[in-house]
Amino acid sequence: QVQLVQSGAEVKKPGASVTISCKASGYAFTNYYIHWVRQAPGQGLQWMGIINPSGGDTSYAQKFQGRVTVTMDTSTSTVYMELSSLRSEDTAVYYCGIGQLDYWGQGTLITVSS
Amino acid sequence: QSALTQPPSASGSPGQSVTISCTGTSSDVGAYTFVSWYQQHPGKAPKLMIYEVTKRPSGVPDRFSGSKSGNTASLTVSGLQAEDEADYYCSSYAGSNNYVFGTGTMVTVL
Repeated sequence: QVQLVQSGAEVKKPGASVTISCKASGYAFTNYYIHWVRQAPGQGLQWMGIINPSGGDTSYAQKFQGRVTVTMDTSTSTVYMELSSLRSEDTAVYYCGIGQLDYWGQGTLITVSS
Repeated sequence: QSALTQPPSASGSPGQSVTISCTGTSSDVGAYTFVSWYQQHPGKAPKLMIYEVTKRPSGVPDRFSGSKSGNTASLTVSGLQAEDEADYYCSSYAGSNNYVFGTGTMVTVL
């Protein structure tokens, strides 16, 4: 069965960077785009970016351009999302998801606090 | 890219129907048939309910249906049940491998 397993919660200081991993299994890794979506406490879903595992092409939401980088390791079927220059407003649960977002990871809570 | 506009809340009694709108622009909802709807219960990851405007993934009850007219997409939940109480989000492809979500609608079953 399709599974997306994300790395664990982290606490970061303002100005730092964070990298979240998303390990995929149960399907052909290169067949589906992988999205990153975040949700701040009590807020809605926000699309951040996408990677095509077949080639590595990426696209990012304008809001995050310059601060977000999505990479992948096809040997381990893992995608990584790095967000830099963290601020308190980046405190959120970050999700990875595939294809039509029909499968989601369990979410990773990133807390930005001094 | 601005978020798609949804009503903050909607409600209905058990057995009734509720329809949620999702208004975008001619650059997203109006331009593509890649509109999806997600259901999210508190503390859980979202669940895909509708994709490509009208299609239901396997396992989603046929009480859930989607449509689109111009720049506005809609999700209708017929025969409301207690377990349908959740937050609902639309999303649309916006071109150049970009996507956008709606502002979200809290559905209450009275």
